[in-house]
This record gives sequence, C-alpha cells and structure tokens, in this order.
Amino acid sequence: KQEVTQIPAALSVPEGENLVLNCSFTDSAIYNLQWFRQDPGKGLTSLLLIQSSQREQTSGRLNASLDKSSGRSTLYIAASQPGDSATYLCAVRQYGNKLVFGAGTILRVKS
Amino acid sequence: SQTIHQWPATLVQPVGSPLSLECTVEGTSNPNLYWYRQAAGRGLQLLFYSVGIGQISSEVPQNLSASRPQDRQFILSSKKLLLSDSGFYLCAWSVLRGRETQYFGPGTRLLVL
Repeated sequence: KQEVTQIPAALSVPEGENLVLNCSFTDSAIYNLQWFRQDPGKGLTSLLLIQSSQREQTSGRLNASLDKSSGRSTLYIAASQPGDSATYLCAVRQYGNKLVFGAGTILRVKS
Repeated sequence: SQTIHQWPATLVQPVGSPLSLECTVEGTSNPNLYWYRQAAGRGLQLLFYSVGIGQISSEVPQNLSASRPQDRQFILSSKKLLLSDSGFYLCAWSVLRGRETQYFGPGTRLLVL
C-alpha cells in the first residue's frame, strides 16, 4: 500500500528566505508526482506536476524535483513571500489515475 | 474553460440525519470524477471515483455512497450521518484515461453534531 509522508509538518520562516519541503513515498511504481497548494478552507491548486520520467519541473520561484528510485521529492521555494503562506500537499499518481496524498506541510512566511 | 462547483459550502447536520453533497463540472465531457475527504491535520483520502455515468468505485468501506446520474454531476450521500463523517469534502475531475492533473472544487465543510 502506497504511503506518502511530508516533512516538516509545519514551517515558519521570515520573508525572503529560501526553503525546501520534503515528500517521500514507499512504492516507486508511480506515473507522476504532483505538488498542490491549499489555502485555509479552500480547494487545492496544482503547482507542479513531474512525470515519472522527469527529474524536475520549474514554475517561477518554485522548483520541484523527483528521485523516483529513492521515493523522494522536494519542493524548493525561492525568496519566500507572505503570500506563499498555505498548506502544501504532495501526491503521487498510481495505476487507475488515483492520487495518494501526504498530510501536508503548513507554511507560514512572516513579514 | 472548465469550472467545478460544489454545494453547499458549509453544512451542519445532526447525527443520524441524511446527507447529499453535489458536485458539477462545466466545460468538459466524459471526465473522471472523484470525491475526497480531508480530516483535520490529515491528507486527502479518496472515497469514490467514477469513469462514467452510473460507474462508481468505492475506495474505503464506510457510511457514505456516491452516484453519478449525469455525465458532469457527482453526488455524495449518506442515509444516516455519524460524528466521524465530519470533515472537508472535495470533489475533483480529470481528463478521462489521462494522467494529467486533477482539478479540485472549492470543497464543502461538513460538521456533524
């Protein structure tokens, strides 16, 4: 059974700092891995999607990497801003187009 | 463009009462549809998914059921709510047979008292 773990559970950083969120998964048989953002009481917004054959994806200040063989992914946020404060969720896609989610990392960027 | 709607946004129900949450998608045809539940401090748990009208797969045995009466409509129901049914319910859609992203609705917060 696939299990997805996200570390840390919560993170508080000053504005402008670069930071890394970690995600690990137990079964490397995945199609892709996705990072989502969730604002309090809201739905999920997709940030980056990395196919299993890819090593990384970049969008603006965000960079996500994938090491499928070791079951790890990182989300790097450069020059963090207060508007980046949210919960960040990692999810892996398995056969049947099903997503398995981690519990998330709650990020707070202080101004 | 595609949009996904959920209602109600918030619901407070007594234990033992019935439940009906609705999700509709606009701007696409033959989508995969999903119901997730998010409990406080936990990740999203897939409850049901559907690849077509009347086709429902259940992921977790529970007090809930799902139906898809129309191509772009997905309904989550219960005959008798339990306290443990409280949570944040999210509907999502994706391209049929695709491996691309799932798009999520705004969610329904359910509190069972």
